[in-house]
Amino acid sequence: AQSVSQHNHHVILSEAASLELGCNYSYGGTVNLFWYVQYPGQHLQLLLKYFSGDPLVKGIKGFEAEFIKSKFSFNLRKPSVQWSDTAEYFCAVNDSGGGADGLTFGKGTHLIIQP
Amino acid sequence: SAVISQKPSRDICQRGTSLTIQCQVDSQVTMMFWYRQQPGQSLTLIATANQGSEATYESGFVIDKFPISRPNLTFSTLTVSNMSPEDSSIYLCSVRDRDYNEQFFGPGTRLTVL
Repeated sequence: AQSVSQHNHHVILSEAASLELGCNYSYGGTVNLFWYVQYPGQHLQLLLKYFSGDPLVKGIKGFEAEFIKSKFSFNLRKPSVQWSDTAEYFCAVNDSGGGADGLTFGKGTHLIIQP
Repeated sequence: SAVISQKPSRDICQRGTSLTIQCQVDSQVTMMFWYRQQPGQSLTLIATANQGSEATYESGFVIDKFPISRPNLTFSTLTVSNMSPEDSSIYLCSVRDRDYNEQFFGPGTRLTVL
C-alpha cells in the first residue's frame, strides 16, 4: 500500500520568504506524484504533477517540485511567497503502473503567509 | 478541465438516518472517485466508481455503509447509510481526465451528524 508523509503540518512565513514543503512517499512500484492546493473556501486545485522525465517540474503560480527517487521525495518549492499563497497544500501519489488510479494523500500542510 | 458540482453542499443529519450525495460532471468521464476528509485529516479514498461496473471499495469502506450508483458517464451518487457522528466529514467527488491523467475535484459536501 502507498503512504505519503508531509512533515510540516503548519508553516508560517513572511511575504517574500522562500518556501519548501516536504513530501515523502512509500511505495514499492513506480508512482505519479502530485501537489494540490486548497485556498480558503475553494476547491482542491492541481498545482503540479510528475509522471516521468525531468525530475524538476514547474507548476502554476511560480511553484515547482523536485522528484528525488533515491529519497522517495517530492518537495514543493517557491522562491518568494505572497500573501495569496495562504492555503492548505496536499501531496498525493498514485500508481503509474496501471493499477489503482485513486490518489493517496498526505495529511496536508497549512501555510500562512503574513504580510 | 472538468467542472464538477455536488449536492447538497452541506447538511446536518440525525444519527441513524441516511444521506445521498449527488455528483454531476459537465463532460463524460470513465472514472469517478469518492473521497472523505474528516475534520483535521487528509483526504481518504472511499471507492472508485466506473460506469457499467460495480464500485471498488478501499480497505475500511463497505458497500452496505457507502452504496454508490453510477448510472451514466456524467453522474454518480454516494449514500452514507445509518449515520453516526463519526461520519461527520467533507465528502468529495473526483473525476479523472484520462488525456492528462489529472484528477479534478468537486466542491465537497460538508456533512454533520448529530
